[in-house]
Amino acid sequence: GAVVSQHPSRVICKSGTSVKIECRSLDFQATTMFWYRQFPKKSLMLMATSNEGSKATYEQGVEKDKFLINHASLTLSTLTVTSAHPEDSSFYICSAEDGGSSYEQYFGPGTRLTVT
Amino acid sequence: GESVGLHLPTLSVQEGDNSIINCAYSNSASDYFIWYKQESGKGPQFIIDIRSNMDKRQGQRVTVLLNKTVKHLSLQIAATQPGDSAVYFCAEKAGTYKYIFGTGTRLKVLA
Repeated sequence: GAVVSQHPSRVICKSGTSVKIECRSLDFQATTMFWYRQFPKKSLMLMATSNEGSKATYEQGVEKDKFLINHASLTLSTLTVTSAHPEDSSFYICSAEDGGSSYEQYFGPGTRLTVT
Repeated sequence: GESVGLHLPTLSVQEGDNSIINCAYSNSASDYFIWYKQESGKGPQFIIDIRSNMDKRQGQRVTVLLNKTVKHLSLQIAATQPGDSAVYFCAEKAGTYKYIFGTGTRLKVLA
């Protein structure tokens, strides 16, 4: 199957700093990428849908100024958590949708963010 | 609002037995459903999908059943193995881009 990578896999940062997480589709072009947040023992919560070359669509309750999403190319989307606080600590997962007739989305391995 | 939920949060199954994980969805307009497996600390892994014009689809050791009348989805795993231990999510495609995930079921395989 298609491969999606995330970097970094783990990051620890101090309160008030910003953290950038990269999501890359390695062997296919993804016009659409999704960013999810997952709390321990909980399901995935969609944060935003990222479309290449246009502004991301954020889900209700997700602060777009805090979670900046950039989808500059067909293989890269970035999520920047600005002015991070301990409550932003979570598992962030991206996925990329393979275009064409398939709806299938491929998930990255996730990024564990810990804000101290 | 729209929701996809699971009946059983935890399922314990003896190794070698068959597993059945259930999922209920509420959006009758959804036309695509996916089952994912997630191991601890990893991203979800695609298992099998089904479109709404089908009621059954089989993969290797897995079968997905779709009952549109009662808006119910199930994942059957044959001859469950220790490596099947994980959390399983159903997901529903609602709209052009958006996926909605169920709450998840933890499958524990007993030796």
